[in-house]
Amino acid sequence: AQSVTQPDIHITVSEGASLELRCNYSYGATPYLFWYVQSPGQGLQLLLKYFSGDTLVQGIKGFEAEFKRSQSSFNLRKPSVHWSDAAEYFCAVGAAGGYNKLIFGAGTRLAVHP
Amino acid sequence: GAGVSQSPSNKVTEKGKDVELRCDPISGHTALYWYRQSLGQGLEFLIYFQGNSAPDKSGLPSDRFSAERTGGSVSTLTIQRTQQEDSAVYLCASIVAGGPGETQYFGPGTRLLVL
Repeated sequence: AQSVTQPDIHITVSEGASLELRCNYSYGATPYLFWYVQSPGQGLQLLLKYFSGDTLVQGIKGFEAEFKRSQSSFNLRKPSVHWSDAAEYFCAVGAAGGYNKLIFGAGTRLAVHP
Repeated sequence: GAGVSQSPSNKVTEKGKDVELRCDPISGHTALYWYRQSLGQGLEFLIYFQGNSAPDKSGLPSDRFSAERTGGSVSTLTIQRTQQEDSAVYLCASIVAGGPGETQYFGPGTRLLVL
């Protein structure tokens, strides 16, 4: 069965520090992978997605993610975190055999210290 | 419209009452999804619409939950005889055609509290 694991429930970083949020997936075929961000009281906003081609994907707000098939990972990175990046981040896999519904990880809550 | 809208934004109800949650997708989007976000279960898929048909209802947790979509646009999620465990944020997402890798655009959600 398809699944997504985000090992870190909470992460705290200082403003200006680099960030890496981990995501591992279980999926039989080539996955469609997404990172969404949810700010308090808000819906989900797409940061970036991977479905083919270059394994390093650029997204909005200075985020990038790298698809590594050998590690079944799709980690999200940002070189320098801003206080406004404090939010909850969700990794998801699109179930191609299941009408592309998204299967989400549990989320990682990011706190940013000034 | 400019984005997916959902109403109401918040709903407080008493156990045993029925509730209706509404989703207005982005104009022209043919596919629509409902998800539920709860503390214990995280974000989970409920139901998928392509046009007015629902080929995947596999995520509906019980027969108290139902959904419909009319005119290929607005969708309503109905929960009958609400229970406290139904308390959650219900999110709706729409997508242009439902193809692989397409971006799902989410609404702000309806926060449901069952007392």
